[in-house]
Amino acid sequence: GENVEQHPSTLSVQEGDSAVIKCTYSDSASNYFPWYKQELGKRPQLIIDIRSNVGEKKDQRIAVTLNKTAKHFSLHITETQPEDSAVYFCAASRGTSYGKLTFGQGTILTVHP
Amino acid sequence: KAGVTQTPRYLIKTRGQQVTLSCSPISGHRSVSWYQQTPGQGLQFLFEYFSETQRNKGNFPGRFSGRQFSNSRSEMNVSTLELGDSALYLCASSPGTRDTQYFGPGTRLTVL
Repeated sequence: GENVEQHPSTLSVQEGDSAVIKCTYSDSASNYFPWYKQELGKRPQLIIDIRSNVGEKKDQRIAVTLNKTAKHFSLHITETQPEDSAVYFCAASRGTSYGKLTFGQGTILTVHP
Repeated sequence: KAGVTQTPRYLIKTRGQQVTLSCSPISGHRSVSWYQQTPGQGLQFLFEYFSETQRNKGNFPGRFSGRQFSNSRSEMNVSTLELGDSALYLCASSPGTRDTQYFGPGTRLTVL
């Protein structure tokens, strides 16, 4: 089955710096790649997603890039703020069911004021 | 629209008991998925339902089961509870099978 590896497991940055989280997936048929942010004690919330027919997608300070050949995708957060501190999860799914997500292990992002 | 809701929010059971968790999707959403979240294993897929049909099932033992009703509400059941079943159980809904999933707040299950 699908396997998603996520790095780093923890990331500490200063406010205003950029943060990059990388994920690799094993199933070349995967075609949907969402990123979720989970604050302590709260539900995962979608922050951005990308489909395999797109190489890059941006939403204000957040961007995701996808390299299908290398089977990896990355989350980029620019101008980080303390409220960006949370656990970030990447995920992948394939075929016609985006409802079966395989998640990475998560990255704990800490943004220091 | 109201978000995904899950009941109960917290549950304490003892080994050997069974438990039923409920999920109400966002109005108009017909797809519901369930995930188990633990510190050691992270987020793991349990089931996916669409229009009362199970489309996918994760690698969990047969003690884990689920169903979806005609109003898209879903339940999952865990029988013969084990200590290792202690986890946050998350439900997510989407309009269809190829849409973004939105998560509920989860049910925190503790097995003693």
